[in-house]
Amino acid sequence: EVQLVESGGGLVQPGRSLRLSCAASGFTFDDYAMHWVRQTPEKGLEWVSGISWNSISIVYADSVKGRFTISRDNAKNSLYLQMNSLRPEDTAFYYCASYNDLLRAFHIWGQGTMVTVSS
Amino acid sequence: DIQMTQSPSSLSASVGDRVTITCRASQPISSYLNWYQQKPGKAPNLLIYAISSLQSGVPSRFSGSGSGTDFTLTISSLQPEDFATYYCQQSYSAPRTFGQGTKVEIK
Repeated sequence: EVQLVESGGGLVQPGRSLRLSCAASGFTFDDYAMHWVRQTPEKGLEWVSGISWNSISIVYADSVKGRFTISRDNAKNSLYLQMNSLRPEDTAFYYCASYNDLLRAFHIWGQGTMVTVSS
Repeated sequence: DIQMTQSPSSLSASVGDRVTITCRASQPISSYLNWYQQKPGKAPNLLIYAISSLQSGVPSRFSGSGSGTDFTLTISSLQPEDFATYYCQQSYSAPRTFGQGTKVEIK
């Protein structure tokens, strides 16, 4: 079964850090770029960060640049998001998603993990 | 950033109805327009890519059309399992941006 499973979410105080993980199975992980997308009721779906299959190309949304770091380990079929200096506005449901370059679309999504930044 | 604007934000329809959702990009995006369906408590699911190509397993009652800046998702005959929120998304340029969503509710 094709699957992405996120973990690592939780409640964290402003200014602290959190690391999200995303485990892939059922497909060839290193065939695809991977991304993080977050969702809130207020702002909807917001792309956060993306990484190419070989980790050479990495991009971030302006809202997280300098605070978040995306990485992947193809040997472990895993994607990560290190989130530092968290702010209340980072509170969201975080999804990992694989990006199919042929379709130019996010074709596989995880079930998401909730991050709440609050004192 | 390219802004994606969907209309309406929500609609009420009955089973069997034809439903149309529109999406407008703030600048031309060629054919790089995708549609996703999201049900409560679930992740978005790719329905249509490249304006009109159905993702594998998506029923043929779903169709997409449009060009340039204006795009449409049509459900030809609404089924009970289609009640969900639908999002458009552009892949023309970074950052990949989404519309705000259209919630399809039962009338």
